[in-house]
Amino acid sequence: GAGVSQSPSNKVTEKGKDVELRCDPISGHTALYWYRQRLGQGLEFLIYFQGNSAPDKSGLPSDRFSAERTGESVSTLTIQRTQQEDSAVYLCASSPAGTGIYEQFFGPGTRLTVL
Amino acid sequence: GIQVEQSPPDLILQEGANSTLRCNFSDSVNNLQWFHQNPWGQLINLFYIPSGTKQNGRLSATTVATERYSLLYISSSQTTDSGVYFCAVVSSGYALNFGKGTSLLVTP
Repeated sequence: GAGVSQSPSNKVTEKGKDVELRCDPISGHTALYWYRQRLGQGLEFLIYFQGNSAPDKSGLPSDRFSAERTGESVSTLTIQRTQQEDSAVYLCASSPAGTGIYEQFFGPGTRLTVL
Repeated sequence: GIQVEQSPPDLILQEGANSTLRCNFSDSVNNLQWFHQNPWGQLINLFYIPSGTKQNGRLSATTVATERYSLLYISSSQTTDSGVYFCAVVSSGYALNFGKGTSLLVTP
């Protein structure tokens, strides 16, 4: 079946603008994760959704970041009042469940550039 | 939190050579994955290997959970193997903790 998809693939915005990034997980995967990868770095965890449970937002770097997920489908990551330090690749992953023992599969990412 | 260290940080190989990449982690893990990030940024799953040994073509991996390390073997390297190799683990909870990666360049 189809893998994780993300849109847009690239986003260039001006400092202070809001942006929305979208993630479509693999069908049937109940767990969804957002990660961020700064240039030349490994990935850092942002937020986690598992089914209809309350999301774990412990990795969000500031209150300008928020995310939503409708049921077990699409998720949207929103960054308000973007800053230059928000420039990074934002990757979404999904897994069959969220206990941590399942393989996570990643989308192609959205490259965000804040001018 | 758990520490994940990868070595070497950079590696240059001639096509056809073999290599071993290492991942050390500081605590017991429930999940360990190896990824290849290609030059276009896509993370490709190589192995899900919290313990034991697996092989897939020219690649194989071994995780010795009791000694807290994992090894990724690349044999008969090809230029398409170039990119960054990441080791990532889950110790508690569910989020993957990534190492800083090994940057591999395979030259013709």
